Amino acid sequence: ETGVTQTPRHLVMGMTNKKSLKCEQHLGHNAMYWYKQSAKKPLELMFVYNFKEQTENNSVPSRFSPECPNSSHLFLHLHTLQPEDSALYLCASSQDKPLSGNTIYFGEGSWLTVV
Amino acid sequence: GEDVEQSLFLSVREGDSSVINCTYTDSSSTYLYWYKQEPGAGLQLLTYIFSNMDMKQDQRLTVLLNKKDKHLSLRIADTQTGDSAIYFCAGQNSGYSTLTFGKGTMLLVSP
Repeated sequence: ETGVTQTPRHLVMGMTNKKSLKCEQHLGHNAMYWYKQSAKKPLELMFVYNFKEQTENNSVPSRFSPECPNSSHLFLHLHTLQPEDSALYLCASSQDKPLSGNTIYFGEGSWLTVV
Repeated sequence: GEDVEQSLFLSVREGDSSVINCTYTDSSSTYLYWYKQEPGAGLQLLTYIFSNMDMKQDQRLTVLLNKKDKHLSLRIADTQTGDSAIYFCAGQNSGYSTLTFGKGTMLLVSP
């Protein structure tokens, strides 16, 4: 138990569906992240939020839409995805933006399959 | 940006030592991390080392850092079958907001 909880753990969706991934952290952290883990590729940073403000968008397609209503919750809204978007989506948090070695804590991930 | 490279696969016998290697390109990397990912699970922080250190030991884990060669290694002593997992090396530059990960090394421990 890392203090970062993701739901759902598994999601299968069609290309025309709209779904959302949810992340909640109980660590009192101010920074939250979405990462994508695909087979045979390095872990990719998607979005960074610090104090609810988006500070990084790593050239992510607009069919992925993040939302951070408060420092404890982070959502990833999914719309008209492609099969190649099937991956493990990991949420993470840290005390602040990770300067000076603030450790990043990861959730268990949400396995997404797009059919 | 930073590139982090790892060998993709390592197989050892139970009780042997495992050494997982990693190279990185950004000489200003301030912190270097090792994460473990078990099947179906997220990333678990194992250990990290500051760039001003050469070695860090934590129970069965030993991290060695060669800054000159930009080489990082993770040694697991007395490897157990429960150590079978994917191990990710990651580098962090204090000027950037997050980590750069390698592709991961799959460690398979056989009885």
